[in-house]
Amino acid sequence: DAGVIQSPRHEVTEMGQEVTLRCKPISGHNSLFWYRQTMMRGLELLIYFNNNVPIDDSGMPEDRFSAKMPNASFSTLKIQPSEPRDSAVYFCASSAGLADNEQFFGPGTRLTVL
Amino acid sequence: DQQVKQNSPSLSVQEGRISILNCDYTNSMFDYFLWYKKYPAEGPTFLISISSIKDKNEDGRFTVFLNKSAKHLSLHIVPSQPGDSAVYFCAAYTGTASKLTFGTGTRLQVTL
Repeated sequence: DAGVIQSPRHEVTEMGQEVTLRCKPISGHNSLFWYRQTMMRGLELLIYFNNNVPIDDSGMPEDRFSAKMPNASFSTLKIQPSEPRDSAVYFCASSAGLADNEQFFGPGTRLTVL
Repeated sequence: DQQVKQNSPSLSVQEGRISILNCDYTNSMFDYFLWYKKYPAEGPTFLISISSIKDKNEDGRFTVFLNKSAKHLSLHIVPSQPGDSAVYFCAAYTGTASKLTFGTGTRLQVTL
């Protein structure tokens, strides 16, 4: 049974470029979460969806960040324009539902903005 | 405002000994507490959890203790094994917000 799938695994881009990170949650899971991992702040929740609807985007750092979930099996996190301080590992996670506190994480996308 | 804190960024323990990882929190509304384990280049994986109405939960070599009055929880690993070397994240869950709040992680190294 496939887990959460993220692509790309690594992304290197130049400042000012648009970056799109992709996530496929576990089939049958209704909730999807985007996190960013940094040394200083650990795992920060950026945004989460339930049944494809954004529930809380208060963790999105700036308007340069946006996320969509057009269907139950796909979500994107977009950064436009990217900046060097956006360099981090971005994780997608899914759970059976919002009442299910156990989340399953993807392998992450390591983003480097030069 | 860091609601979940792991004040020890790293910990080194000898194989066979006990590893104790600590976590403090500030929000008394948290319902569940979870520990996740993360290996390099992989996503965090769930390890063990505890409900706020309990003070101990045990699963094999892993035991989590919760002290609500002190707003403190700890993860005990006995005996520690080299394969336990990883980053451990403490997380807290609120049913009202339906989300996890993570700490900054503690890197555990189990030496031979």
